Amino acid sequence: DAGITQSPRHKVTETGTPVTLRCHQTENHRYMYWYRQDPGHGLRLIHYSYGVKDTDKGEVSDGYSVSRSKTEDFLLTLESATSSQTSVYFCAIRRDVNTEAFFGQGTRLTVV
Amino acid sequence: GESVGLHLPTLSVQEGDNSIINCAYSNSASDYFIWYKQESGKGPQFIIDIRSNMDKRQGQRVTVLLNKTVKHLSLQIAATQPGDSAVYFCAESRPSGSARQLTFGSGTQLTVLP
Repeated sequence: DAGITQSPRHKVTETGTPVTLRCHQTENHRYMYWYRQDPGHGLRLIHYSYGVKDTDKGEVSDGYSVSRSKTEDFLLTLESATSSQTSVYFCAIRRDVNTEAFFGQGTRLTVV
Repeated sequence: GESVGLHLPTLSVQEGDNSIINCAYSNSASDYFIWYKQESGKGPQFIIDIRSNMDKRQGQRVTVLLNKTVKHLSLQIAATQPGDSAVYFCAESRPSGSARQLTFGSGTQLTVLP
């Protein structure tokens, strides 16, 4: 899987609790992305990073924050999880803007 | 794994026939495009890409066509096989501030019939 590891792979959490998902890469790629995938919506971009400490919002960023303190790790945080954030979350990495992105295996998050 | 294709456009083809999957993109500034295949329970996998200075690119059994005039992409799969059954997504790389977003279409569920 192109040196990408997402953790945890599965998580069940209660509404209102904070949750952090981790994406770790061993490829030294510059770009990292977080997507969520829901039935009927395909992959929707939450946040992305174009370098250490450089991040920007995607189309569905409300309720999520990210951090990238080193090249290899991109963290996605749900400050106070809601049921609408139940989804499958995918991390992707990309060497530069004119290359393909490689995806992790996904994290299935259930908020009850 | 969970199905993510419950409400997606669907395409059914006979094994051995050619498949054509279409995609409309939204941003005229997008200059790089990718097709991905996603099997149930897995992350998307790269199939083929094309840059905006091209209108056609071929790979092994796959061809991507790009029509910038109408902002349309297509993926052609020759001699479709059962293993091609999956959800297919197009993605566009477009400028966003000082960086680049990679934005996906909604996907098409391809089913190969025996």
